[in-house]
Amino acid sequence: GAVVSQHPSWVICKSGTSVKIECRSLDFQATTMFWYRQFPKQSLMLMATSNEGSKATYEQGVEKDKFLINHASLTLSTLTVTSAHPEDSSFYICSAHDRGWNTEAFFGQGTRLTVV
Amino acid sequence: AQTVTQSQPEMSVQEAETVTLSCTYDTSENNYYLFWYKQPPSRQMILVIRQEAYKQQNATENRFSVNFQKAAKSFSLKISDSQLGDTAMYFCAVLGGSQGNLIFGKGTKLSVKP
Repeated sequence: GAVVSQHPSWVICKSGTSVKIECRSLDFQATTMFWYRQFPKQSLMLMATSNEGSKATYEQGVEKDKFLINHASLTLSTLTVTSAHPEDSSFYICSAHDRGWNTEAFFGQGTRLTVV
Repeated sequence: AQTVTQSQPEMSVQEAETVTLSCTYDTSENNYYLFWYKQPPSRQMILVIRQEAYKQQNATENRFSVNFQKAAKSFSLKISDSQLGDTAMYFCAVLGGSQGNLIFGKGTKLSVKP
């Protein structure tokens, strides 16, 4: 199957700093990628849809100025958590479809963010 | 709006036995797809099985099969001959519309006991 690589797998940062998470499709092009957030023992909640060459679409309640998404190429989307606070600590996962919107979604390994 | 409900937060099954995980959903889309994903302790999301809503035949993948009841909007997962490696969180999800984002249920934590 297709491979989506997410980096870093875990990161610890100080409150007030910014953290960038990368999501790459290794063997296919993805015009659309998705960013999810998962709190401990909870489900995945869609944060935003990342569109190559255009602005991301954010879900209601997600601060676009805090969670900056850039989809500069067909194989790379980045999520930057700006001015991170402890409440931003969570597990972030990206996904992409390799053959169209209604096919299997491939997920990155996820990034565990801890803000101290 | 699309919703997915998994009413069993936790389940356990003896190794080699069969277990069924429940899922109901709601969607206004005519063309939609249903999925079961597995999330082991590594937290990597792994596709278990996929069902196209327009297909009446239930999907099967080796030991995994679904009971898709479209009118009832029910999509249960049956795991036969359970193995220790099946221990994981299982998420039911619906995909509809042209964006491609998945709507997940809250998950069922399955423990397979030796």
